[in-house]
Amino acid sequence: EIVLTQSPGTLSLSPGERATLSCRASQGVSSGYLAWYQQKPGQAPRLLIYGASGRATGIPNRFSGSGFGTDFTLTISRLEPEDFALYYCQQYGSSPPTFGGGTKVEIK
Amino acid sequence: QLRLQESGPGLIKPSETLSLTCTVSGDSITTNNYYWGWIRQSPGEGLGWIGSVHYSGTTDYNPTLKSRLTIFLDTSKNQVSLRLTSVTAADTAVYFCASSPNYLWSGSHVFFDSWGQGALVTVSS
Repeated sequence: EIVLTQSPGTLSLSPGERATLSCRASQGVSSGYLAWYQQKPGQAPRLLIYGASGRATGIPNRFSGSGFGTDFTLTISRLEPEDFALYYCQQYGSSPPTFGGGTKVEIK
Repeated sequence: QLRLQESGPGLIKPSETLSLTCTVSGDSITTNNYYWGWIRQSPGEGLGWIGSVHYSGTTDYNPTLKSRLTIFLDTSKNQVSLRLTSVTAADTAVYFCASSPNYLWSGSHVFFDSWGQGALVTVSS
């Protein structure tokens, strides 16, 4: 199965700053079939991005995804207070679908 | 808008069978547009895909759980159910049900666009 490694483990930033989160796959992710989720304490994950760069319904355009092959990036252009949370990547190009270990974006 | 709500026992003993139900509202589970899946999350293992089912009858299971797992639909109640036999402490987790848009016609090539709130399951004697 494909192993996804997310970095950094924790990102300490201030509101208004830019956040860049990385997701690296142990082998190429077919056709860019990669998704990103946001999770807050006590809540279910929320889909942000699918197909590496497609924004899910209702997701603000400050969230953007990019990448192909083994390297993918989630960018939050200007952090809002509600964006401080955990973020996970997930690949679905190979079976079984797998998740990364997460990046925590915390307030500096 | 889809809404999903899990229900289950909360606490279960080792070697018993775990049964969880997900009630779906906002669409019929008989639609071709979605797969219906289960994902679990534990502090030690993170997020893990358990399996998915489609109205056509197709099921896809994580190979690590396949021998103990059944996922099925109850169309009369618009519910998705999970049954996991011979549980151990390693099965302690929050269990989520989720919908997957049927873009790739494969239950094991899915992402998850709507999630239930999750059901905590603890395996302990």
